[in-house]
Amino acid sequence: NAGVTQTPKFQVLKTGQSMTLQCAQDMNHEYMSWYRQDPGMGLRLIHYSVGAGITDQGEVPNGYNVSRSTTEDFPLRLLSAAPSQTSVYFCASSRDRYTEAFFGQGTRLTVV
Amino acid sequence: AQKITQTQPGMFVQEKEAVTLDCTYDTSDQSYGLFWYKQPSSGEMIFLIYQGSYDEQNATEGRYSLNFQKARKSANLVISASQLGDSAMYFCAMRASGTYKYIFGTGTRLKVLA
Repeated sequence: NAGVTQTPKFQVLKTGQSMTLQCAQDMNHEYMSWYRQDPGMGLRLIHYSVGAGITDQGEVPNGYNVSRSTTEDFPLRLLSAAPSQTSVYFCASSRDRYTEAFFGQGTRLTVV
Repeated sequence: AQKITQTQPGMFVQEKEAVTLDCTYDTSDQSYGLFWYKQPSSGEMIFLIYQGSYDEQNATEGRYSLNFQKARKSANLVISASQLGDSAMYFCAMRASGTYKYIFGTGTRLKVLA
């Protein structure tokens, strides 16, 4: 049971570099989302998707892009990394609005 | 605006005792769901328990129960018979019925003492 798989687990970027955080789920969930976790701030929603081809912004979308070409995959792109994007990133999926979200293991990103 | 408040940054409990982690929420929606997640030091987010706003009974899952007081807008997590493995960060979260978005609290770090 893979669930939600995030890669990589750790990443160090230089300011201005771009990269893509990968997220895949094998539960056929329609809803997927990306959060960032910063100390003392809980988890904040970056972007989310309610199905293939449909995405929308969350609470802190600036500096990030997403796309959803398949039900399984929901990559998060950092366009030009900044030190303020140093954080732990979580991908999550859920079957519907009423059930719990399943989270990936997280990606610890450091921007220097 | 929706908001989740967890006022206890850190808590200690003796092994085998019960502990209550506080969570209050603010929403104007009538239909919503409340969730608790556990985050151990390894970092993953583990779902513990769910309470729907229209559920008349408090949710229970093994040693976890949710003390839901709708009028007070509180959804406290009760852990009975604490174990050393319960040491972790605990997050309360809310999702309004018309949205897929979770709103998370800032978390409570629980330390279980032997």
